[in-house]
Amino acid sequence: NAGVTQTPKFQVLKTGQSMTLQCAQDMNHNSMYWYRQDPGMGLRLIYYSASEGTTDKGEVPNGYNVSRLNKREFSLRLESAAPSQTSVYFCASSELRTSGSNTGELFFGEGSRLTVL
Amino acid sequence: AQSVTQLDSHVSVSEGTPVLLRCNYSSSYSPSLFWYVQHPNKGLQLLLKYTSAATLVKGINGFEAEFKKSETSFHLTKPSAHMSDAAEYFCVVSHNYGQNFVFGPGTRLSVLP
Repeated sequence: NAGVTQTPKFQVLKTGQSMTLQCAQDMNHNSMYWYRQDPGMGLRLIYYSASEGTTDKGEVPNGYNVSRLNKREFSLRLESAAPSQTSVYFCASSELRTSGSNTGELFFGEGSRLTVL
Repeated sequence: AQSVTQLDSHVSVSEGTPVLLRCNYSSSYSPSLFWYVQHPNKGLQLLLKYTSAATLVKGINGFEAEFKKSETSFHLTKPSAHMSDAAEYFCVVSHNYGQNFVFGPGTRLSVLP
């Protein structure tokens, strides 16, 4: 199983350029997330999608847009990149905990390191 | 609202000595709690999880954590550190059946030879 796959792994942009980070999961999870990681701040939620066809803002949504293309794929778009968006971006997926064996933990991709000059 | 405090930003231990990484949380609901590990330039990997079953939770690589409701704590321990344990560790809280995972700021563990 590939789990959660993110592309690209590395990207350098100039201020004002746009780009899309792609994420796909093969675990049939309903929920998908985009986080950014900055030193000393843990992971902060940008957007999430509880299920196919829905998206919601997280803690730091400004400057980003998302698309839940289908159940497997959840993309993050930077329309006009700024130096403050230099970060490592992680996609994750999870299944809501039920009374069965699902425990609702997050499964992460390997991350996408973005530098905005 | 939920929040997570990791009391130490950096912990340094000698190889073969015990590890203690501290985590305190606040949650308005009955929480699920997780510890994740992140090795340099890698994604986050689940170490262990608490989801209202046994309060002492065993995870991978010899780590364990104890849920103490009265102290709102979920500290991570390991009896004997190994060089390969050097990494960043994140405590995470989520309330049951919820979508919201809140991360602590992380604790960097260094293991000295």
